[in-house]
Amino acid sequence: GNSVTQMEGPVTLSEEAFLTINCTYTATGYPSLFWYVQYPGEGLQLLLKATKADDKGSNKGFEATYRKETTSFHLEKGSVQVSDSAVYFCALTPAGGYQKVTFGTGTKLQVIP
Amino acid sequence: EAGVTQFPSHSVIEKGQTVTLRCDPISGHDNLYWYRRVMGKEIKFLLHFVKESKQDESGMPNNRFLAERTGGTYSTLKVQPAELEDSGVYFCASRGVTGGNYNEQFFGPGTRLTVL
Repeated sequence: GNSVTQMEGPVTLSEEAFLTINCTYTATGYPSLFWYVQYPGEGLQLLLKATKADDKGSNKGFEATYRKETTSFHLEKGSVQVSDSAVYFCALTPAGGYQKVTFGTGTKLQVIP
Repeated sequence: EAGVTQFPSHSVIEKGQTVTLRCDPISGHDNLYWYRRVMGKEIKFLLHFVKESKQDESGMPNNRFLAERTGGTYSTLKVQPAELEDSGVYFCASRGVTGGNYNEQFFGPGTRLTVL
């Protein structure tokens, strides 16, 4: 079956530090890949997505590139802010996106001033 | 446009009691999903409705869980009787069909269930 593995948290960074959250997946074919974010007290929001190999998703300064050869979709941001403190989930759906989302365990990020 | 809403936001009950969670999807979205996150682990799929029909209920953990979507609008998820291991955050998501090869699932804020 499909699965997503992401780095354990929590991750604590100082403001303006570089962020990387690793994510690898197992799936057949060419799934669609996502990063969701959950800010404190809020629901899950789609942060970015990529639907085919070598695509780069980007939003709010975050980026992730769909690497088929390494089955990875690592999340990066060059300079984090306190407002980025949240839980980040890597996820996938089978090609077409019509089926259930498979999530990783989530990585809690805390950015300190 | 209103997003996905869930009620209640928090529920604390004792083992053996019954709890009903409600999800109101985005208006016009035929697809409705339930997920849950237990004890800080991954968010796991429970089931998928298309309108009022259950498309996929492979993630339902056991027969203590009953999901309904009468009329194809809002959905309820009943846990009866609740057990300690049912504690977690229950998320609802909805998806429309607007063409193309991908349609985003929009998630609600979740219901935090604590079983004592």
